Amino acid sequence: AQKITQTQPGMFVQEKEAVTLDCTYDTSDPSYGLFWYKQPSSGEMIFLIYQGSYDQQNATEGRYSLNFQKARKSANLVISASQLGDSAMYFCAMRGHTGGFKTIFGAGTRLFVKA
Amino acid sequence: NAGVTQTPKFQVLKTGQSMTLQCAQDMNHNSMYWYRQDPGMGLRLIYYSASEGTTDKGEVPNGYNVSRLNKREFSLRLESAAPSQTSVYFCASSPGLVAETQYFGPGTRLLVL
Repeated sequence: AQKITQTQPGMFVQEKEAVTLDCTYDTSDPSYGLFWYKQPSSGEMIFLIYQGSYDQQNATEGRYSLNFQKARKSANLVISASQLGDSAMYFCAMRGHTGGFKTIFGAGTRLFVKA
Repeated sequence: NAGVTQTPKFQVLKTGQSMTLQCAQDMNHNSMYWYRQDPGMGLRLIYYSASEGTTDKGEVPNGYNVSRLNKREFSLRLESAAPSQTSVYFCASSPGLVAETQYFGPGTRLLVL
């Protein structure tokens, strides 16, 4: 069975500092995709970054990077130079091939950026 | 750019009532999804449609039915609402099942009394 674990219910970070949000996963699929989404207080789900299991390099998108450690089954999100607007809920998700390419989500981490 | 639209935005139902949540996308995507989000939890997949004419169960399909009306529209029906179905419902779409992202609608907040 596939599983996503986000162990940090809440995180605080000072504005302009970097922060790492943890995500570990479990799957027996040889090929899978990992995602991070942001959900601000307004409620919409915003895609941030994607990492394929066979990608050789860690994914980056602007201030977001995904620290992918395949052997450890971790896919941590790193946000550099935090901004007040980064305060939101962050969800890690995974899509495997088993069971019809369904995407499963972690419980989320709420990030608070302090001025 | 409409993207993924959902109606209604908010709904209150009494136990036992039925209703249909509507979802439409204008991105010519093949795959569409319905999720529910409960407090303290991530999204859970209710049903999905890999392509027009197909639907499959997700993690939590009980109490729901879906219809992929055409390539654009994917509706979710609650035949007999229960308080346990109080949640925020998100529709999403993607070019295909193995796309690098899903695009989400704004959500429907449903309260069942």
